[in-house]
Amino acid sequence: EAGVAQSPRYKIIEKRQSVAFWCNPISGHATLYWYQQILGQGPKLLIQFQNNGVVDDSQLPKDRFSAERLKGVDSTLKIQPAKLEDSAVYLCASAGWREETQYFGPGTRLLVL
Amino acid sequence: AQSVTQLDSHVSVSEGTPVLLRCNYSSSYSPSLFWYVQHPNKGLQLLLKYTSAATLVKGINGFEAEFKKSETSFHLTKPSAHMSDAAEYFCVVLGNSGNTGKLIFGQGTTLQVKP
Repeated sequence: EAGVAQSPRYKIIEKRQSVAFWCNPISGHATLYWYQQILGQGPKLLIQFQNNGVVDDSQLPKDRFSAERLKGVDSTLKIQPAKLEDSAVYLCASAGWREETQYFGPGTRLLVL
Repeated sequence: AQSVTQLDSHVSVSEGTPVLLRCNYSSSYSPSLFWYVQHPNKGLQLLLKYTSAATLVKGINGFEAEFKKSETSFHLTKPSAHMSDAAEYFCVVLGNSGNTGKLIFGQGTTLQVKP
């Protein structure tokens, strides 16, 4: 079974630029999560999708971050414009319907200069 | 609100000696608890989970954890450390009751294994 796929693996941008990350969850998984992991900390949830609907985006900085999951499968997370403090690893995870265990992708490491 | 506290930011053991990574939780209801491991430049991997069945949970690679409600603890142990166990370990609580919900992570414990 293929795992959660993410791209790119690494990205370096300058502040005020835009960046987008892509995630393809495990086939058949209804729930998709984006987490932000700042160096030295545990991951924090940014947004949770159930199929193509948003369940929880309370921690998403909506003035600069956006995410979509249009067809209920893959998802894109965008930052526009980026700030220095957005430097982090962005992790995507997915879970089956009514399943507690989340499976994580390898993450995208973002460095904002 | 649910939370977890990992009591050690860094643990160092010698290869072949026992491992103990400590975690305390706070939850207003019976929690679902997890331990995840993160090797450098790799994704998070589930080691084990507790979901109100047996209090002693066995996971992969010889790890196990015991849920102690009276102590609000969920410590991770392994009888004998291997060099490949060196990694970052996260204690995690499920944020919402019921089914899918956000995971709330501790700050992490770095496990160093010395030869």
